Order: sequence, then structure tokens, then C-alpha cells
Amino acid sequence: DAGVTQSPTHLIKTRGQQVTLRCSPKSGHDTVSWYQQALGQGPQFIFQYYEEEERQRGNFPDRFSGHQFPNYSSELNVNALLLGDSALYLCASSPAGVWYGYTFGSGTRLTVV
Amino acid sequence: SQELEQSPQSLIVQEGKNLTINCTSSKTLYGLYWYKQKYGEGLIFLMMLQKGGEEKSHEKITAKLDEKKQQSSLHITASQPSHAGIYLCGADMSGAQKLVFGQGTRLTINP
Repeated sequence: DAGVTQSPTHLIKTRGQQVTLRCSPKSGHDTVSWYQQALGQGPQFIFQYYEEEERQRGNFPDRFSGHQFPNYSSELNVNALLLGDSALYLCASSPAGVWYGYTFGSGTRLTVV
Repeated sequence: SQELEQSPQSLIVQEGKNLTINCTSSKTLYGLYWYKQKYGEGLIFLMMLQKGGEEKSHEKITAKLDEKKQQSSLHITASQPSHAGIYLCGADMSGAQKLVFGQGTRLTINP
């Protein structure tokens, strides 16, 4: 049973560019959440998608946007990249209904130069 | 300031020794989740605690949530090299399927 799959694993972008990160949730999960983890810090909640809608959002600027597809997979888009956007981006999936926490993917390491 | 404080931030112990990591919130929590992370990788779920006074164990790891549901501890008995990594506590503070994480505790096990 495949868990949460994220792609790509590593990415290097130039300041000002745009990036798209992808996530396939664990089988049977329909809710996808995205987190940003800066070096040496705990993950911070970006937003969560359920039924193709953004259900809740953390304290991140509008440069961060997302999408969920009918097959529950999700994308995270970041526009006008800043050096401070360099981080590990984690996708987490969970089933709707009774919640026992997330299943996390291995993350995408984004470096902005 | 952090909504969730973890201590210590880093810990070096000799193999075979016991250790404890703490996680404290100023608010009552809906649930407390412990995860382990290898450097630069995803988070691996360890345990979930939801009831005040709850205690769970898995192999040599025991996690407890206090009666007020504001403080949790993770205890490792007879540590092994495989226990090395970053331990993160995540708190559900709103019942909305969203976790707030502590800053993590980096655990090193010396042979």
C-alpha cells in the first residue's frame, strides 16, 4: 500500500520564479494538508484541501496557493519565490471523519537561490 | 512565542540510557501527537494521546498526557542507535484536523 507520495524530492529555483509541488495521498484518504518546515524548526501549517476546496489556511501569504483534484491528489504553488521560501515542504493526508492524525510524505526540499 | 514548547531542543545520551522529552502548551489540547523525523525526511507517526491522564507504549517508547491535557512527555527506555532522530510533538488545538508543532528535539545516541 503506497503511502503519501510527493514529487519532486528536490528542487532548486531562482528568486522570483514560480514552483509547483505535487502530492498523492495515501489510498483511502481524501484530505490533504501542506506544511512548510524551515531548517531546525517544526512544520508550519500552510493549508488544507477537502472535496477540492481549501478548507482552512494558516498564516501564509497569497503567493502560496493550492489545488485538489477529483482523485484527491494535490498541488502546492508558490509564486514570486523569496529566499525565505527555502524549506522542506511536507504533504500530509488523512481520511475524513474520525481523525487519528496524518500520514506524511517524505517531502520536497525546495532551495531558492 | 511558540504555542507549543518542546524541551530540550537537543539531547545527547549514551546508548542504553533512558531519556525524556517534554511538550507543553498554554492551552488545553484536543489531542497530542508524537512524530519522529530522520533528518530532511518525512514524519513517522509514533503515538496519539487524546484523553487526560492517558499513557501509551510501543516497544521502548512511552508517551503520557497530563490530566489537564496541556503537557505531554515522551520517554525512551534503554535507548538504541535506531532511536536517533528528531522528535516532534504536534497538538490539535481546535479540533479542526490541523496540527501545531513544537520546534522539535534532536536526539543523538552515542555508542
